[in-house]
Amino acid sequence: EIVMTQSPATLSVSPGERATLSCRASQPLNSHLAWYQQKPGRAPRLLFYGASTRATGIPARFSASGSGTEFTLTIGSLQSEDFAVYYCQQYHAWPWTFGQGTKVENK
Amino acid sequence: QLQLQESGPGLVKPSETLSLTCSVSGGSISSSSEYWGWVRQPPGKGLEWIGSLYFGGSPYYNPSLRSRVTISVDSSKNQFSLKLTSLTAADTAVYYCARPQPDNSGYYGAFDIWGRGTLVTVSS
Repeated sequence: EIVMTQSPATLSVSPGERATLSCRASQPLNSHLAWYQQKPGRAPRLLFYGASTRATGIPARFSASGSGTEFTLTIGSLQSEDFAVYYCQQYHAWPWTFGQGTKVENK
Repeated sequence: QLQLQESGPGLVKPSETLSLTCSVSGGSISSSSEYWGWVRQPPGKGLEWIGSLYFGGSPYYNPSLRSRVTISVDSSKNQFSLKLTSLTAADTAVYYCARPQPDNSGYYGAFDIWGRGTLVTVSS
């Protein structure tokens, strides 16, 4: 099983600041990685797939990069609606696995 | 626009079997994707992939649940289902059905459409 490790667990950021989230895989994924945003009481929302392809309707302040085992999600200028938990997920091999999440909170 | 809706009991007793259904609307289940899946989330915790149905072959299951889980499809009703047996309190979670989409290389796995989720509590 591919283990996904996200860091940090919690990121305290002020609105307007840049946020950088990391996701590391225990094995190379090629680019078979997705990022999600989840707000309380809501289903996850797909942000990126293929490591860096923005999903439909995702604002340009969100960007993602990486390949192999190291991946990054960046929020260029944090808006109030961006405070949430972010998950990475690999779909390179069965079983598909998620990281434990990074909570982005208001500093 | 494709939409998913989970349905099933909100409370199940320990040792019993959970049966959930995901109804697909706004499109045909057989032509909207080659895969469909279930994901769960215990209260206050992260996401766990349960399994995925593949139209071209056998379903894939999380090894941690394989002995207890069955995912099946009823194309005539535009639905797919989850059965989880021998429930314990550890199975208490919000259960989501979701559609994995293909990426640019044709790999399926990124869930682009989700149901709203249904909370299942295992308690006597």
